[in-house]
Amino acid sequence: GENVEQHPSTLSVQEGDSAVIKCTYSDSASNYFPWYKQELGKGPQLIIDIRSNVGEKKDQRIAVTLNKTAKHFSLHITETQPEDSAVYFCAATGNQFYFGTGTSLTVIP
Amino acid sequence: DAGVIQSPRHEVTEMGQEVTLRCKPISGHNSLFWYRQTMMRGLELLIYFNNNVPIDDSGMPEDRFSAKMPNASFSTLKIQPSEPRDSAVYFCASSLGGLLYNEQFFGPGTRLTVL
Repeated sequence: GENVEQHPSTLSVQEGDSAVIKCTYSDSASNYFPWYKQELGKGPQLIIDIRSNVGEKKDQRIAVTLNKTAKHFSLHITETQPEDSAVYFCAATGNQFYFGTGTSLTVIP
Repeated sequence: DAGVIQSPRHEVTEMGQEVTLRCKPISGHNSLFWYRQTMMRGLELLIYFNNNVPIDDSGMPEDRFSAKMPNASFSTLKIQPSEPRDSAVYFCASSLGGLLYNEQFFGPGTRLTVL
């Protein structure tokens, strides 16, 4: 089965700095990689996703990169703001759907 | 659109009791997912339905757990009998399409505490 590892588990950055979260996966059949943001007391919400035929995707301050050869993908948040503080989950989908273990991001004003 | 609706939002019960969690997916969505979230195990996919049919229940922890989707607008997750280790937040999500390539919309979750 799939194994999705996510690092770091916690991350603190100063407002305005960049944040990077990394994930690795094991199943070479995985071909869809979404990122979800979960705020306290709420369900996860999709913020960006990438498919296996694309190496990079950007949406305003958020970008995701994918290296299929190395089986890893990363989330980049630039110009971080306090409202970016949340738990972020990566996921990998092939024949199954697995979430990473989550990264608690704190943006310090 | 009201989004995915889950009830109850909080449930406290005693060990051995039956617990039923309810979910109403977004209208028009044809896939529905049940997740469990704990500090120890993170987010786990328990089961998912496509067009009201269970597709993959390999994540259901044991026979005490069962899920049904009698129609396109309603699903239940039942635990009978409940145990303290079942304490978790249970999320329902829905999507337009199947597991692949489709955004899942999550409900607010049901926080279950089994004493």
